[in-house]
Amino acid sequence: KNQVEQSPQSLIILEGKNCTLQCNYTVSPFSNLRWYKQDTGRGPVSLTIMTFSENTKSNGRYTATLDADTKQSSLHITASQLSDSASYICVVSLKAAGNKLTFGGGTRVLVKP
Amino acid sequence: KAGVTQTPRYLIKTRGQQVTLSCSPISGHRSVSWYQQTPGQGLQFLFEYFSETQRNKGNFPGRFSGRQFSNSRSEMNVSTLELGDSALYLCASSSGTSGGAHDEQFFGPGTRLTVL
Repeated sequence: KNQVEQSPQSLIILEGKNCTLQCNYTVSPFSNLRWYKQDTGRGPVSLTIMTFSENTKSNGRYTATLDADTKQSSLHITASQLSDSASYICVVSLKAAGNKLTFGGGTRVLVKP
Repeated sequence: KAGVTQTPRYLIKTRGQQVTLSCSPISGHRSVSWYQQTPGQGLQFLFEYFSETQRNKGNFPGRFSGRQFSNSRSEMNVSTLELGDSALYLCASSSGTSGGAHDEQFFGPGTRLTVL
């Protein structure tokens, strides 16, 4: 079983709408939890990095939340744009493994006009 | 500041051959990490180099190896290629000063390796 599970696997939303992506993890203790955006054919780009003591972090229209008690994180996209079409990957940095990154399978988001 | 560069961008090899991929980190960054990305397994950590030393390693066979030079540039080598090695290989650089705990990683565009 993957230590970082993301849902849904894919999502289609209309331009201008909001959406929320989920990430559940079992690894602990962790150093931080990250969200990345990966456009097709490109490397991932960091959106947010949160330590276990942070509850929320924003980057423009992207807001990540973290509940360390339930081991859940979410990424909320506000007023989606066509350029938001990408894969969003949740990543946990595992303290016990020398801060090695463990990746979720990603959520593929398609924004339609 | 120039970003992370990887060469070549695309590569086609046959089974049994070996391949070397190159990664130039952002100027001033001392840590380079390598990842394999496939549709089935997603992104998986291969190894991390910091100041020419391997600092962390994933769960890949010994056919996968790497090294880092004094200018922080890194190479990854895969020997005796198998069909399953077809993937996008990504490298990421970071300052490496916090031991990886909170370093932001900057990814390159990747090298698409196809093994026939």
